[in-house]
Amino acid sequence: ETGVTQTPRHLVMGMTNKKSLKCEQHLGHNAMYWYKQSAKKPLELMFVYNFKEQTENNSVPSRFSPECPNSSHLFLHLHTLQPEDSALYLCASSQAGLGRGVEAFFGQGTRLTVV
Amino acid sequence: AQSVTQLDSQVPVFEEAPVELRCNYSSSVSVYLFWYVQYPNQGLQLLLKYLSGSTLVESINGFEAEFNKSQTSFHLRKPSVHISDTAEYFCAVSPELGGANNLFFGTGTRLTVIP
Repeated sequence: ETGVTQTPRHLVMGMTNKKSLKCEQHLGHNAMYWYKQSAKKPLELMFVYNFKEQTENNSVPSRFSPECPNSSHLFLHLHTLQPEDSALYLCASSQAGLGRGVEAFFGQGTRLTVV
Repeated sequence: AQSVTQLDSQVPVFEEAPVELRCNYSSSVSVYLFWYVQYPNQGLQLLLKYLSGSTLVESINGFEAEFNKSQTSFHLRKPSVHISDTAEYFCAVSPELGGANNLFFGTGTRLTVIP
């Protein structure tokens, strides 16, 4: 039990589908993140939320749309994806901003395959 | 800007042998340094971190890493590995800036312990 739960664990979707990834943390953290993990590439930060406010968007295409209704839940809405978007999507949370050297807690990820 | 280089994508090693996983970083500002581990089908977990003080840091399961500022390195070592250490290991840095909110990861090193 890592304290960060992601659903679903696996998702296969067509390029015209709309789906959502869900992340929930029970750690009382104030910051939540979406990362993309592709083979042979460094983890890529996609979005950051602090106290429910989006503070970073690392030039992510608009076909990815995050939502943070409260400090415990984070969603990633997907639509009109491309095959190159297939990857492991990781959610993470931390007590404070990562610039203070705090630990990030990760979920198990959602393995997304776009066909 | 920050970047992390893990030159070895895969490291096979026999059980009870020593291992070193290399990590070098580049940054224009001071950084905090981390090693995260990802066991099969799981999210990333913090293994150890360097924030300040002694340049040698240890984990509870026998790993250690030494911060070398002049060589901008943070190599991970273990004197005797176990089968259970088989996993992917990620080196990461975060800038020592209060407003920063990112971990910059390397591409990872897959450690395979051979019986």
